[in-house]
Amino acid sequence: DAGVTQSPTHLIKTRGQQVTLRCSPKSGHDTVSWYQQALGQGPQFIFQYYEEEERQRGNFPDRFSGHQFPNYSSELNVNALWLGDSALYLCASSLVGGQHEQYFGPGTRLTVT
Amino acid sequence: AQSVTQLGSHVSVSEGALVLLRCNYSSSVPPYLFWYVQYPNQGLQLLLKYTSAATLVKGINGFEAEFKKSETSFHLTKPSAHMSDAAEYFCAVSRGLRYSTLTFGKGTMLLVSP
Repeated sequence: DAGVTQSPTHLIKTRGQQVTLRCSPKSGHDTVSWYQQALGQGPQFIFQYYEEEERQRGNFPDRFSGHQFPNYSSELNVNALWLGDSALYLCASSLVGGQHEQYFGPGTRLTVT
Repeated sequence: AQSVTQLGSHVSVSEGALVLLRCNYSSSVPPYLFWYVQYPNQGLQLLLKYTSAATLVKGINGFEAEFKKSETSFHLTKPSAHMSDAAEYFCAVSRGLRYSTLTFGKGTMLLVSP
């Protein structure tokens, strides 16, 4: 049973560029959430997708957008990258419902120069 | 609004000693609480979760946590630390009944010395 997978593992971008990160959820899961983890900090919630719609959103600007596909996989897009966007981006999958634990992927390390 | 406070950014123990990592939460409704562990350059791994079934929750790798409503606490313990326990530990509270999101504490780095 494959867990949550993310690609790429590492990414280096220049300020102003755009980036797309990808996530495949754990088999059987229908909900995908994205988190940003800055160095030395706990993960911060970006947004959550269920049934191909954004259901919850954290305090992140519109430069952060996402998508969920019919097979439940998801993308995170960030436009006009800032230096401050450098972080570990974590994808988590779960079943819909607050009592269900979220399973995390290994993350994508984004460096903006 | 729900939030989580982890007391102590770093905790140091000797191998074989008791591990105690502290977590306090604020929530207007009974929460769902989680402990995750993160090893260097890796994602988060679920240690255990509390969903109101039992106040003492046992997790993986010998960890357990006790939910105390009167103290709004959910501290993580392990009777005997092992070198492999050295990692960062995050307490999290789930917000939302249907579309739940996790709010994390700032994390506690556990250092284990021989």
